[in-house]
Amino acid sequence: GEDVEQSLFLSVREGDSSVINCTYTDSSSTYLYWYKQEPGAGLQLLTYIFSNMDMKQDQRLTVLLNKKDKHLSLRIADTQTGDSAIYFCAESISDDMRFGAGTRLTVKP
Amino acid sequence: EAGVVQSPRYKIIEKKQPVAFWCNPISGHNTLYWYRQNLGQGPELLIRYENEEAVDDSQLPKDRFSAERLKGVDSTLKIQPAELGDSAVYLCASSLVGTSGGSSYNEQFFGPGTRLTVL
Repeated sequence: GEDVEQSLFLSVREGDSSVINCTYTDSSSTYLYWYKQEPGAGLQLLTYIFSNMDMKQDQRLTVLLNKKDKHLSLRIADTQTGDSAIYFCAESISDDMRFGAGTRLTVKP
Repeated sequence: EAGVVQSPRYKIIEKKQPVAFWCNPISGHNTLYWYRQNLGQGPELLIRYENEEAVDDSQLPKDRFSAERLKGVDSTLKIQPAELGDSAVYLCASSLVGTSGGSSYNEQFFGPGTRLTVL
């Protein structure tokens, strides 16, 4: 079946902006989520966006949604070393969620 | 407030042995999920409970996997017998959402997972 797709790796310098992209599968998904996973830990919800919005900003995080192309992005401004982690996008499918494979963000000092 | 608790954190077993994982969700959360996360992949749903009822177990390999959530609180996931391909991280999550469909905001809170290695 179709997969939620993300690029696997992203490397940025501390202080730069990071943009993580995601293509999801179901145009009827009502909510789309971004989760962060640090080594040895479970997933932590970072932010989400409702499908009738095209942008949401939350401090250093900006989510952009293009429903026509089923494209979701997460921008992290002023990226810090503590932002190094794996970032998963997820779409809501009925009562369940479908996750991408995750993008490993590496922040270099 | 305590988060989702899972135990053990790590488990190493030989193939064909049984193994069990335990999860205690956040107090008051009626929905509990078990996911499997293979290396380099996102979580994949195995089973979802609403209270004590398994409402979605379509992805659970029923020949060797079983789960229960007696009393609608904590849950156990079992594999018997384990195979080499079962090596993964098993994540438990909980949420407050019910059967209102994908139109509801559904924040799932994840535990740290159990890393299973089958030798």
